[in-house]
Amino acid sequence: QKEVEQNSGPLSVPEGAIASLNCTYSDRGSQSFFWYRQYSGKSPELIMSIYSNGDKEDGRFTAQLNKASQYVSLLIRDSQPSDSATYLCAVRRGGTASKLTFGTGTRLQVTL
Amino acid sequence: GAVVSQHPSRVICKSGTSVKIECRSLDFQATTMFWYRQFPKKSLMLMATSNEGSKATYEQGVEKDKFLINHASLTLSTLTVTSAHPEDSSFYICSARDQGRDTEAFFGQGTRLTVV
Repeated sequence: QKEVEQNSGPLSVPEGAIASLNCTYSDRGSQSFFWYRQYSGKSPELIMSIYSNGDKEDGRFTAQLNKASQYVSLLIRDSQPSDSATYLCAVRRGGTASKLTFGTGTRLQVTL
Repeated sequence: GAVVSQHPSRVICKSGTSVKIECRSLDFQATTMFWYRQFPKKSLMLMATSNEGSKATYEQGVEKDKFLINHASLTLSTLTVTSAHPEDSSFYICSARDQGRDTEAFFGQGTRLTVV
């Protein structure tokens, strides 16, 4: 079982729709959860971080965490073509000096 | 926001040669830097954690004699790929944590290494 699992996609959504990206993790000791966006040939860019159960909203992005189900998701509202990228889920067990474990990413395509 | 500069962005080298990649934190001090490798359509795999003034901690399966990491100052860590082979061709990415603000680590721009 992979430590962090994501559907590789591609996930295709029309412009203006809601994109829903999902991630499950195996380590129940994980404390911190992150979503990164990575454009082709570029390094990852942090979009959202979430540390406690529930929802966290930032602009068009909402992260949802359910530690009991070991599940974290990212919703992108009003999807734009510029949102087309690979979205990486990452988890961390300890503090900020601890390592991140990444999923393989979900490729999102926002169509016109 | 904090800036992490990685250099070079692209490098092509011949088999058997060594390549050095630099990772600099431009506006903060980074006691901890992380080095990742990413193969096409794969996720980031942590290679090692670099701590200023001490030896790097390598992940299982990563050859420390092949991937030399030096973190001599609070703003610079280097990764040297020694005796490179075509299978070392990959995207190498560093990240650095701003210890002063205890924020999440920021990523450098990445280095595309091609060994021919």
